[in-house]
Amino acid sequence: DGGITQSPKYLFRKEGQNVTLSCEQNLNHDAMYWYRQDPGQGLRLIYYSQIVNDFQKGDIAEGYSVSREKKESFPLTVTSAQKNPTAFYLCASSNPRGSNEKLFFGSGTQLSVL
Amino acid sequence: SQQGEEDPQALSIQEGENATMNCSYKTSINNLQWYRQNSGRGLVHLILIRSNEREKHSGRLRVTLDTSKKSSSLLITASRAADTASYFCATEYTGANSKLTFGKGITLSVRP
Repeated sequence: DGGITQSPKYLFRKEGQNVTLSCEQNLNHDAMYWYRQDPGQGLRLIYYSQIVNDFQKGDIAEGYSVSREKKESFPLTVTSAQKNPTAFYLCASSNPRGSNEKLFFGSGTQLSVL
Repeated sequence: SQQGEEDPQALSIQEGENATMNCSYKTSINNLQWYRQNSGRGLVHLILIRSNEREKHSGRLRVTLDTSKKSSSLLITASRAADTASYFCATEYTGANSKLTFGKGITLSVRP
């Protein structure tokens, strides 16, 4: 059963804490993306990666970091520098490499601040 | 911002009626896509229309694209309660390294 798995479903962050959101795909896609969604808003691109060991900043990368050590995995770290982290985070993937056609999304992680 | 804009922001119809949602954008595109999102879930791709296409169909969905007006519409025919969701248009603008830009979405409620 192919798809994208995000975990955890819900995550709580304390002041000054870094937290990491997991995203794993078994679709053999080259490109992976992280989006942030705030209530009543569209999706905003945080980071994207078109190939292993390479990633690019999106529109709102400040306060976030990523890695792409494996094709299947693209974890997102929300650092303490991100002062307003409460949002719904969505991971997506696509193929072929570099194409925007048809993004496949995970089911999301809701991050809240304690 | 290059973000596309959907219209209306919210739509409430009776089951069996048709639902029409619109999306406008600002500059030249390679393609325009529509996605659906159920509450608290990820987005699901519905349909993609390229800049050289004017109309596409997929089941009960019909998408049109008017590049001269920089607008697209999504028609859902014979709506069902299960169509209740948020619908987003996403545009791939022309130019190097262009990424998909999503609008703010339309909330569709279909009353049984």
